[in-house]
Amino acid sequence: GENVGLHLPTLSVQEGDNSIINCAYSNSASDYFIWYKQESGKGPQFIIDIRSNMDKRQGQRVTVLLNKTVKHLSLQIAATQPGDSAVYFCAENSGTSYGKLTFGQGTILTVHP
Amino acid sequence: EAGVTQFPSHSVIEKGQTVTLRCDPISGHDNLYWYRRVMGKEIKFLLHFVKESKQDESGMPNNRFLAERTGGTYSTLKVQPAELEDSGVYFCASSQVGGGNQPQHFGDGTRLSIL
Repeated sequence: GENVGLHLPTLSVQEGDNSIINCAYSNSASDYFIWYKQESGKGPQFIIDIRSNMDKRQGQRVTVLLNKTVKHLSLQIAATQPGDSAVYFCAENSGTSYGKLTFGQGTILTVHP
Repeated sequence: EAGVTQFPSHSVIEKGQTVTLRCDPISGHDNLYWYRRVMGKEIKFLLHFVKESKQDESGMPNNRFLAERTGGTYSTLKVQPAELEDSGVYFCASSQVGGGNQPQHFGDGTRLSIL
């Protein structure tokens, strides 16, 4: 598959548990961050975004936390379901409006029924 | 509303041949981006169009790659001549303009294999 050769962090959870996926970013000028979910054979699917003037944002079953002091981003998924199994990517926009995203390496989430 | 669509979904060609990938963004999205993921690497930015203009092409690897967006609607990415290291998945994304950063929405990609 697409992830062959790329040693991604993995997270295995039981159905119904909460999941936390972490991401470190490097550019202190980044002011916009996005989490994507990618299933096999598909493109990255937008989950949630956050701007640097916020430290928390909630969506449906998902919460993104941003800690600018340590340049850390996390995605929390509540009541994880088997359909949440996928590769999750964080991406940052390095301070350029509408500009390019820099992607993290991704984390493989596996949810066991 | 239709999402970002890419054609073809797969392409297998021999080294030295030419391939053209197409991307149709979400209707009304003036921003269009190309990214690629080669084996064992992360998703990397190639270039960014605003309407028909190239806003940022800093990620284009070399002059064998040519992207166009005539008329500001769909875009093509041509690789000529293709080399082995060009194999990978090429993604297109689009976003709206206005109100600061807007989420980029991705297509399912074109899986390109160079033999």
